[in-house]
Amino acid sequence: DADVTQTPRNRITKTGKRIMLECSQTKGHDRMYWYRQDPGLGLRLIYYSFDVKDINKGEISDGYSVSRQAQAKFSLSLESAIPNQTALYFCATSDWASGTPTKQYFGPGTRLTVT
Amino acid sequence: EDQVTQSPEALRLQEGESSSLNCSYTVSGLRGLFWYRQDPGKGPEFLFTLYSAGEEKEKERLKATLTKKESFLHITAPKPEDSATYLCATLQGAQKLVFGQGTRLTINP
Repeated sequence: DADVTQTPRNRITKTGKRIMLECSQTKGHDRMYWYRQDPGLGLRLIYYSFDVKDINKGEISDGYSVSRQAQAKFSLSLESAIPNQTALYFCATSDWASGTPTKQYFGPGTRLTVT
Repeated sequence: EDQVTQSPEALRLQEGESSSLNCSYTVSGLRGLFWYRQDPGKGPEFLFTLYSAGEEKEKERLKATLTKKESFLHITAPKPEDSATYLCATLQGAQKLVFGQGTRLTINP
């Protein structure tokens, strides 16, 4: 089974609709992240969470909100979807080992299209 | 603020033709330089972490090197299965990665 799972994998929605993307992990990591990927722009950080009670905005948080329901679950919501939120969305997790930055593990992605 | 720039944007090679991908960065106090591989329709997959100038790491046909201003991903005698987008990222603050836009590598048989 995959360590980081995302649902749904594909979603088409209309402008103005509320939509939630879900992420679950079985790695036992405290840290979770949401990124979006657009062609030519690479991956950009939307929100990140270092534990259930610690949630932080990334570089492009406007129009998005998150919820950390448990250590293993981190959800991303688009309150009122707009077409320029059409993108590939990735969830990631990481650990923190004695002050040394560790790698992030990415989920398979959710392709979101807003019409 | 950290900036990461990758070049070229796309690279097409023949099987067996070695080359290098570049990742230039500006960061105040590098805490880690990460390389990832991303296949179409999939999430990025970790390759290497480099922490200090002069460090090198290898995995199969790939070798990553690091200087004070850039990192290179050297690909030796590539095969078609090495075709992918290669992403580099620097660590900003505590566990926040700043990614470059990626290099799309195609290896023709």
